[in-house]
Amino acid sequence: QQQVKQSPQSLIVQKGGIPIINCAYENTAFDYFPWYQQFPGKGPALLIAIRPDVSEKKEGRFTISFNKSAKQFSLHIMDSQPGDSATYFCAASKWLSNTGKLIFGQGTTLQVKP
Amino acid sequence: EADIYQTPRYLVIGTGKKITLECSQTMGHDKMYWYQQDPGMELHLIHYSYGVNSTEKGDLSSESTVSRIRTEHFPLTLESARPSHTSQYLCASRLAGANEQYFGPGTRLTVT
Repeated sequence: QQQVKQSPQSLIVQKGGIPIINCAYENTAFDYFPWYQQFPGKGPALLIAIRPDVSEKKEGRFTISFNKSAKQFSLHIMDSQPGDSATYFCAASKWLSNTGKLIFGQGTTLQVKP
Repeated sequence: EADIYQTPRYLVIGTGKKITLECSQTMGHDKMYWYQQDPGMELHLIHYSYGVNSTEKGDLSSESTVSRIRTEHFPLTLESARPSHTSQYLCASRLAGANEQYFGPGTRLTVT
């Protein structure tokens, strides 16, 4: 019930490609879904987040697609660049919960080749 | 760049030693968290704090302990380190009433 399943584990694309990372959750009480980006030697940083009341959210080259009925959400990176090479984590939580507990997916290591 | 700091960044220590991992934030956040992250794996919450003198265990059982005597400081202690404690430890903080967690750079701990 508390799991968030993320796929693929790793992804290699050419510069300009559109990598897609998928996540699925089980707990329907979750209503906040952030994506974090982590570079080697750094802590994760919030990239973009979505709530279930919208099906899509765009911020720059990053887009989240959300399918509430399927309990799935995806990250798309448009016109990917070598600087996007990092590990991406999806997560799920309850909106503005007192604990703020995040349940993280397993992570996807993305390599964008020049 | 978030104002959350962790020291040391890397630590190699022998079995049985007592260690304290430091975490400090200058953002005045009430909520603070410790996560454990094995290489290439997801983050698991091991401790969190609502504020001063408030600490709770997270979802992943851990032999570590934490304290929160000051708002800005949330140290994690292992009384007797073991090789199974080898991992990366990430500290995070969050403002009450907001969702975003800000992470420190992590401490990579190796117990030999």
